[in-house]
Amino acid sequence: EVQLVESGGGLVQPGGSLRLSCAASGFTFSSYDMHWVRQATGKGLEWVSAIGTAGDPYYPGSVKGRFTISRENAKNSLYLQMNSLRAGDTAVYYCARGAMVRGVPPLYYFDYWGQGTLVTVSS
Amino acid sequence: QLVLTQSPSASASLGASVKLTCTLSSGHSSYAIAWHQQQPEKGPRYLMKLNSDGSHSKGDGIPDRFSGSSSGAERYLTISSLQSEDEADYYCQTWGTGIQGVFGGGTKLTVL
Repeated sequence: EVQLVESGGGLVQPGGSLRLSCAASGFTFSSYDMHWVRQATGKGLEWVSAIGTAGDPYYPGSVKGRFTISRENAKNSLYLQMNSLRAGDTAVYYCARGAMVRGVPPLYYFDYWGQGTLVTVSS
Repeated sequence: QLVLTQSPSASASLGASVKLTCTLSSGHSSYAIAWHQQQPEKGPRYLMKLNSDGSHSKGDGIPDRFSGSSSGAERYLTISSLQSEDEADYYCQTWGTGIQGVFGGGTKLTVL
C-alpha cells in the first residue's frame, strides 16, 4: 500500500524558515517524480514544487528562490526547505507521488497524496 | 495561458447522477487532465486521468460509479448512484509547458 506521511509543519514568523519532510512507503521511491502541493484554508490546490528521479527540481514563480525541494532515496524521503516565509505561504502542504502519461503534450499528474501538514506563517 | 475553469458548486440528490465540468482555456483543447476528489478534512485522492478523446483510466479502488468523458475543450466527471460520501470538492488538474502544475478552482459537490 502506497503511503505518504508529511511532517515538520508548525508556526513560524514571517521571514523565518521551515523544513517539511515526507516519508514514503509501499513503492520504489527512487523510481518516481515527487511533488509538493499546498492549500490555503478554504482555497484550492496550488502546485508548489517537483523533483525528478534524477534530483532535478522545478518550481512555480511564486516560490522560486525561496523554496528548495530535495529527496533522499536511501531514506525514502522527500523534503521541502522553505525560507523567507510570508503570510501568503500559510497552507496545508501535501506530498504527492508523480505520474506521467505520454502524449502531445504529456500529462504529469499526482496519483497518490499524503494527508498534509499545516504551515502557519504569523507573528 | 493555460487555465482550467470549474463551476464553484454543484448539487444532486442521493442516488442520482451528476456531471461536473472542467473547461480548458483556448488553444489547449488537446490537453489531458486528471480528476481529484477531496473529502472534508482529508487530503486529495486521485480519481482518474482523462484524455481529449474521452478515454480514461481510474486510480486504485475507484468505484465504477465514477467515469470521465470529453468534448472539445471540456472534460467531464460523471458520478452515478450518488452516495453521501461523494460529497466533496472535485479538482481537475493538468500540466503546462515550462514545467507547471495547473489546477482548476474546484467544484464543491453537495449531495442532497
